[in-house]
Amino acid sequence: ETGVTQTPRHLVMGMTNKKSLKCEQHLGHNAMYWYKQSAKKPLELMFVYSLEERVENNSVPSRFSPECPNSSHLFLHLHTLQPEDSALYLCASSRRGGTTEAFFGQGTRLTVV
Amino acid sequence: GQQLNQSPQSMFIQEGEDVSMNCTSSSIFNTWLWYKQDPGEGPVLLIALYKAGELTSNGRLTAQFGITRKDSFLNISASIPSDVGIYFCAGQLGLRGSQGNLIFGKGTKLSVKP
Repeated sequence: ETGVTQTPRHLVMGMTNKKSLKCEQHLGHNAMYWYKQSAKKPLELMFVYSLEERVENNSVPSRFSPECPNSSHLFLHLHTLQPEDSALYLCASSRRGGTTEAFFGQGTRLTVV
Repeated sequence: GQQLNQSPQSMFIQEGEDVSMNCTSSSIFNTWLWYKQDPGEGPVLLIALYKAGELTSNGRLTAQFGITRKDSFLNISASIPSDVGIYFCAGQLGLRGSQGNLIFGKGTKLSVKP
């Protein structure tokens, strides 16, 4: 139990589908993050939320839409994705606004067909 | 953009051997972190370093924050099969607790021969 739970663990979706990834943290942290992990590439930071406000958006395409309704929950809404969006999507949380000592969830393995 | 060079990319070692991996950058970092990722799991934090020259241990793992602030290394002593996985370094440019983002290396894949 890492304290950061992601669902679903695996997701296969077509390019015209709409789906959402969910992340929940039980650590009392006030910052949450979405990362994308592709094969043979470094972890890429997508979004940062601190105290439920988005403070970072690293030029992520609009087909990815984050939502942070409270400090414990984070969503990533997906629509009209492309095959190259297939990757492991990792959620993380930390105690403060910076990403020091971030704790990761197990990830959602996304395949776009 | 900022980049971390992590080496080696992969390594096979005999059980019981010591392992060493490192990360270097052209930029100065104020924080270095080392993570391990097992197959099908998210990265797990192993060691965090906050001061240049700092040497920190966690069981058989030892990591150091380089004096120049541009590098860090991780050593694993007396490796065992459960050490298998991918090890990532991560550096943060900002002050601890700031909005500075973590920059990750590409990882070192460790495989142990039993």
